[in-house]
Amino acid sequence: DGGITQSPKYLFRKEGQNVTLSCEQNLNHDAMYWYRQDPGQGLRLIYYSQIVNDFQKGDIAEGYSVSREKKESFPLTVTSAQKNPTAFYLCASRIPGNYGYTFGSGTRLTVV
Amino acid sequence: GESVGLHLPTLSVQEGDNSIINCAYSNSASDYFIWYKQESGKGPQFIIDIRSNMDKRQGQRVTVLLNKTVKHLSLQIAATQPGDSAVYFCAETTGFQKLVFGTGTRLLVSP
Repeated sequence: DGGITQSPKYLFRKEGQNVTLSCEQNLNHDAMYWYRQDPGQGLRLIYYSQIVNDFQKGDIAEGYSVSREKKESFPLTVTSAQKNPTAFYLCASRIPGNYGYTFGSGTRLTVV
Repeated sequence: GESVGLHLPTLSVQEGDNSIINCAYSNSASDYFIWYKQESGKGPQFIIDIRSNMDKRQGQRVTVLLNKTVKHLSLQIAATQPGDSAVYFCAETTGFQKLVFGTGTRLLVSP
């Protein structure tokens, strides 16, 4: 089945560590997105990529980094510079010419 | 289960009732709107969409209404079922720009 796979489902990070969240899609979508979700808030855009080897900052990019070396993969690194990383992270993708997004099942990151 | 929205506006209904979830959008230039459903601990799922040249669109048990004059969007769910319990988000976009999401509404359906 085609879809977006996020891993791991749960991730624990010690303060000062970098962690990388995986997002893989087999939908042949060009555009991919990372969102952060906190309680009481909607989805906030971290980074997005319209095409391989290109990506743009979203609204809350500070403390995060991404890469887009392959069409299928858009990993997100949460760096130690992100002071409040505990959140639910969602990856999405979109076919060019289509407005809607397909979402993965999310990764819940907790700082311990 | 996990909670992704502890302080969201909440709508509580009885099974079988009709539910109406409202959303105020901000950009008068937005030309496409989507409603998503998010169950606890999962990613959002597409429910229904509407373009700005329409004021109503119907799906299976769901209807979206768009009032561009007051920048208001609503989602109506007929004969609400316990499986409809979730957080519902509206999203807007202009052209093929990135989607902008609202804060969400939690729907609780009692048997």
